[in-house]
Amino acid sequence: AQSVTQLDSQVPVFEEAPVELRCNYSSSVSVYLFWYVQYPNQGLQLLLKYLSGSTLVKGINGFEAEFNKSQTSFHLRKPSVHISDTAEYFCAVRKIYNQGGKLIFGQGTELSVKP
Amino acid sequence: DVKVTQSSRYLVKRTGEKVFLECVQDMDHENMFWYRQDPGLGLRLIYFSYDVKMKEKGDIPEGYSVSREKKERFSLILESASTNQTSMYLCASFSRTNNEQFFGPGTRLTVL
Repeated sequence: AQSVTQLDSQVPVFEEAPVELRCNYSSSVSVYLFWYVQYPNQGLQLLLKYLSGSTLVKGINGFEAEFNKSQTSFHLRKPSVHISDTAEYFCAVRKIYNQGGKLIFGQGTELSVKP
Repeated sequence: DVKVTQSSRYLVKRTGEKVFLECVQDMDHENMFWYRQDPGLGLRLIYFSYDVKMKEKGDIPEGYSVSREKKERFSLILESASTNQTSMYLCASFSRTNNEQFFGPGTRLTVL
């Protein structure tokens, strides 16, 4: 079975500061990794995904994440955040050979960007 | 652009009522999902469907059923709503081409 742990439930940060949202996963098989963002009163939107290749993945809105297989982590980073980045962020994994697309989500991290 | 729509953004029902949540996708995706989202618990899978009339239980199916009569439509049914089913419900469809789930805007259900 797979599981995903997001290590921080809330991350407050000032505008233009860097931020890192942490995600660790557990799986006995190889997985794909995803970060989704949920703005207030909206559904989830894909930020970025790691399927294969370079372990540094760039996504939308200036976010990037690094896959670290030895530490089973997929931390999300942004060098300078904006007020508009205030949202909830979800890390998720999927077994590579699961053709159905079933995802396992972490508990979510609320990013709050203050002026 | 993929579009996943849900029939209601907000819904208020009474305990014991039968509740239908509808989800429609316009991209001919075979796989569709229903999740519930609760603070501190993330998204938990209720049911999913990989084809018309095919369904599988997710992690928390108790108290729910689903219907998939047409490829584009996946319905979640609460046979007898209870207060502990007050939650945000999210529908998604899966693109094998993009290897990505696309989500609807969610339905915030309150059961009184």
